[in-house]
Amino acid sequence: RKEVEQDPGPFNVPEGATVAFNCTYSNSASQSFFWYRQDCRKEPKLLMSVYSSGNEDGRFTAQLNRASQYISLLIRDSKLSDSATYLCVVINAGNNRKLIWGLGTSLAVNP
Amino acid sequence: ETGVTQSPTHLIKTRGQQVTLRCSSQSGHNTVSWYQQALGQGPQFIFQYYREEENGRGNFPPRFSGLQFPNYSSELNVNALELDDSALYLCASSTPGALGDTQYFGPGTRLTVL
Repeated sequence: RKEVEQDPGPFNVPEGATVAFNCTYSNSASQSFFWYRQDCRKEPKLLMSVYSSGNEDGRFTAQLNRASQYISLLIRDSKLSDSATYLCVVINAGNNRKLIWGLGTSLAVNP
Repeated sequence: ETGVTQSPTHLIKTRGQQVTLRCSSQSGHNTVSWYQQALGQGPQFIFQYYREEENGRGNFPPRFSGLQFPNYSSELNVNALELDDSALYLCASSTPGALGDTQYFGPGTRLTVL
């Protein structure tokens, strides 16, 4: 089983739709969680950190469920510019703090 | 922009050759991590340097080696290139923090091995 797993998609949604991605992780001792966004042939960019209490940034909401070992990303009112690959990242305690990446979920927002 | 730069942006090499990729970290960051990202895959951790010392390594063979300099810039060296080494090589700079590192990526070097 991979340490971090995501549904690769692609998710094709119309503008204005709400879309949710899940990411599961295998190590119960995982400590920190992030969502990154990567545009085609570009570098990943931090979208948001994920906190135990959940956090929201505009149209984006991230949740952490430690009991079920998954994190989620909800995008409301999708825009064309949201089209990208969304990568889930986990840091495990005592693992030299290296980031463990999912393969990413591809999102295409259509007009 | 993250302030992290990488050079060159693109590179074409042939099997068996050696390559050196360079990364300048964001001002104030003392940690540089290197990743390999093949097409359609997530980034794979190669190694990390913290204050000029290797601070963790992923599942890459010894022909992948690195350096970090006193100004915290870094190099990734790959010897005896193989076709499967063709990928986007990303470096990310960070400063260790209590809640985990927020890493800032450079634009990457796209390496093609023929």
